[in-house]
Amino acid sequence: AQSVAQPEDQVNVAEGNPLTVKCTYSVSGNPYLFWYVQYPNRGLQFLLKYITGDNLVKGSYGFEAEFNKSQTSFHLKKPSALVSDSALYFCAVRAAQDNDMRFGAGTRLTVKP
Amino acid sequence: DAGITQSPRHKVTETGTPVTLRCHQTENHRYMYWYRQDPGHGLRLIHYSYGVKDTDKGEVSDGYSVSRSKTEDFLLTLESATSSQTSVYFCAISNVGGTSTDTQYFGPGTRLTVL
Repeated sequence: AQSVAQPEDQVNVAEGNPLTVKCTYSVSGNPYLFWYVQYPNRGLQFLLKYITGDNLVKGSYGFEAEFNKSQTSFHLKKPSALVSDSALYFCAVRAAQDNDMRFGAGTRLTVKP
Repeated sequence: DAGITQSPRHKVTETGTPVTLRCHQTENHRYMYWYRQDPGHGLRLIHYSYGVKDTDKGEVSDGYSVSRSKTEDFLLTLESATSSQTSVYFCAISNVGGTSTDTQYFGPGTRLTVL
């Protein structure tokens, strides 16, 4: 069965600095990978996904992620963090042939002014 | 929230009582999902539907049942609620075809407390 690990519960960065939120995965077959963001008392909002093609995926709000097959990773990045990026971020994976999507436990990103 | 509503948004109930949560979509998407969100666990899939009257179990289906009699509605039922089912429940939808293929879009959530 597929699984996702987000090794950091919390990431703190200063506004204007680059940010990285880490994600590694395990899946049988080709992975479909996703990043979602959750603001307080809200549902999850889709940021970006990797299905196939270019390993560097660009998404909403200036975020991007790089699919690394050899390291089974899909880290989320942004060149310059904003205070408004502070939220809970979830990585998710499913196998191409499966409907069962597995989420990581989440990483809380705090961007300080 | 992508044309998805959940009702109720908040509910407090007692152990042993039945509870039904409703998810309604206006997007005409084929797939619908129920997840629960608990601290330290992220989101875990309870059940999903791939069409009217077509459902399947997810990772944490014990104690839950679902029904989908119309494309737009997906009901989650706790037959006899337990305190371990206190959680925030999210509905999601997805479709096939186009650039949104395989992307799940989430509703606003229902906070359920079982006393």
